[in-house]
Amino acid sequence: DQQVKQNSPSLSVQEGRISILNCDYTNSMFDYFLWYKKYPAEGPTFLISISSIKDKNEDGRFTVFLNKSAKHLSLHIVPSQPGDSAVYFCAASEWTDKLIFGTGTRLQVFP
Amino acid sequence: EAGVAQSPRYKIIEKRQSVAFWCNPISGHATLYWYQQILGQGPKLLIQFQNNGVVDDSQLPKDRFSAERLKGVDSTLKIQPAKLEDSAVYLCASSRHQGLAGSNEQFFGPGTRLTVL
Repeated sequence: DQQVKQNSPSLSVQEGRISILNCDYTNSMFDYFLWYKKYPAEGPTFLISISSIKDKNEDGRFTVFLNKSAKHLSLHIVPSQPGDSAVYFCAASEWTDKLIFGTGTRLQVFP
Repeated sequence: EAGVAQSPRYKIIEKRQSVAFWCNPISGHATLYWYQQILGQGPKLLIQFQNNGVVDDSQLPKDRFSAERLKGVDSTLKIQPAKLEDSAVYLCASSRHQGLAGSNEQFFGPGTRLTVL
């Protein structure tokens, strides 16, 4: 039972444009959502998060949007840079520090 | 601040053999996690320690996997005997304390890539 889903395994975006990565979840009890970024041969690193009491959180070029009614969140990267090329994981938690990860989306930003 | 250290980085074994992975968390971090990441999937929590006690091992296949954190610092994860489906990257993470995800960032190590032939 995949509680956190990232239906797009890959995304290719031109440098300077917006990258939009999507994530859907099934468990309505999730109260906290996170995005992690992973480069090859490295562990995931925390990028940005959002609490279920908010619908938007912004940090520099990165913005996460949460639509609780649709059980959907998205990560926007504007403008996209070649260094953003990585695998992005969506994760969720239910009132604990136990994270449930999605399957990841590989983002490639080309010049 | 040094990050989470893991060794070895790569390991190839034959099925039915045993293998052990080592993790040294960030200094001062009380909580340690072991994740399994199978190719094409996201990390899945295997076991969580708070100091040297187990908080959650509900997804650890206890018939073949074991883990310990005897002194509340380093940890080892062992598989005995290994199966083909154990081929994965094993990630160790640590955080300052146990708590809600919003107040308790997890820092990940580079992982150990295990191949079982």
